[in-house]
Parts: sequence; C-alpha cells; structure tokens
Amino acid sequence: EAGVVQSPRYKIIEKKQPVAFWCNPISGHNTLYWYLQNLGQGPELLIRYENEEAVDDSQLPKDRFSAERLKGVDSTLKIQPAELGDSAVYLCASSTSGLVGNEQFFGPGTRLTVL
Amino acid sequence: GNSVTQMEGPVTLSEEAFLTINCTYTATGYPSLFWYVQYPGEGLQLLLKATKADDKGSNKGFEATYRKETTSFHLEKGSVQVSDSAVYFCALTVGGSQGNLIFGKGTKLSVKP
Repeated sequence: EAGVVQSPRYKIIEKKQPVAFWCNPISGHNTLYWYLQNLGQGPELLIRYENEEAVDDSQLPKDRFSAERLKGVDSTLKIQPAELGDSAVYLCASSTSGLVGNEQFFGPGTRLTVL
Repeated sequence: GNSVTQMEGPVTLSEEAFLTINCTYTATGYPSLFWYVQYPGEGLQLLLKATKADDKGSNKGFEATYRKETTSFHLEKGSVQVSDSAVYFCALTVGGSQGNLIFGKGTKLSVKP
C-alpha cells in the first residue's frame, strides 16, 4: 500500500514569491492534516480536513496561507507571499478518521527554504 | 493548555546500552499518548501508543507506560542498536482537539557501534 505522497521534496524560493505544496493521502483516509515543523521543533498543526471540509484551521495564518482539498482526496497548501520565517518542513499526514487515538501516517515532508 | 515536554538531546549511547527518553505532559482532558520516530531522510512513523492509564505500548523492543499519576510516558529500550539512531517525538491527543497531535520538541538519539 502506498504511503502519503508529498511533492516537491525540496523547494527554494526568494521571499515574496508564491509557493505550493501537494499531498496525496493514503487511499481511503478521510482525514488529512498539514503540519509545520521548524528546525529543532516538533510538528505543529496548521489545518485539518475531514473529507473536503476544513474542520480546524485555527492555527493557519490566513493572511498568507491557504489550503484546499476540493474532492476530499489530495490537498494543496499555498503560501503567498513567502517570508523568510516560512523556511521549515511542511508535513502532510492522513488517518482513517480524526478520532482521538487514531494513528496518523506522515509523508516525507517538503523542505522549504526562503532566501 | 495541552503540552508535551521531553528531555533535550542529543543523546549519544553505545550499542547495547539502556535507553530512557523522558516525556511528561499537561492535558486538559484525558489524552492518548504516542511516540513517533523519524529516521534520517524519512517521514514520521508511529512507534507505539497508549490510550489509557497504566497501558503499556511496545514495539521493536521499545516500551512506554502511560502514568497518569506522574503525567509521564517515558520511552525505554533495554539494548539499543545503531539502527535506532533517529529523532524521537513524544505526542498526545485529547478529545477537545479531535485527534490533533501535539508534539514535544524531539530528542535526537545517536547510537555508536
């Protein structure tokens, strides 16, 4: 069974440029998460989807970040415009449901460098 | 609020040494507790979990026991191998956050032959 797929794996851009990350969750997983992982820190949730609905986006900086999961399968996270402080690893995860205790499966992440 | 505190690394051990990585938590509800591992160049993987007090999670020789009285979930392994070199993250979920994981900062383990 294929795991969570993310692309690109690495991205280098200049500040003020836009950038987009793509995630394809494990087949059949209704819940999709985007996490931000700064260097030397644990991941922090940005947004959680149940099917195509964003049910928790309280930590998403909505002035520059946006996300979509139009058909309830794959998802795109966008930053526009990027700032130097956005340099981090962006992780996507999926699970069969958002219930407490349910295992989340993580993709390899996209490492973003903003110059 | 909800948070996880784990011992700072890096931790360097010789092969076959005993490992303990401390993890304590603060939670407003009744959390489920997890240890995730991140091997070099790979994504986070669930190592073990426990969903209620006194449960012991175990996998690949690693163990952790959910201690409600001390709000702890320490990770242990009796004899580490070079292949255990990775970053280990303690995490929790609580009902109010509907399954959203809250992670500690991670502890990097290096095992020398």
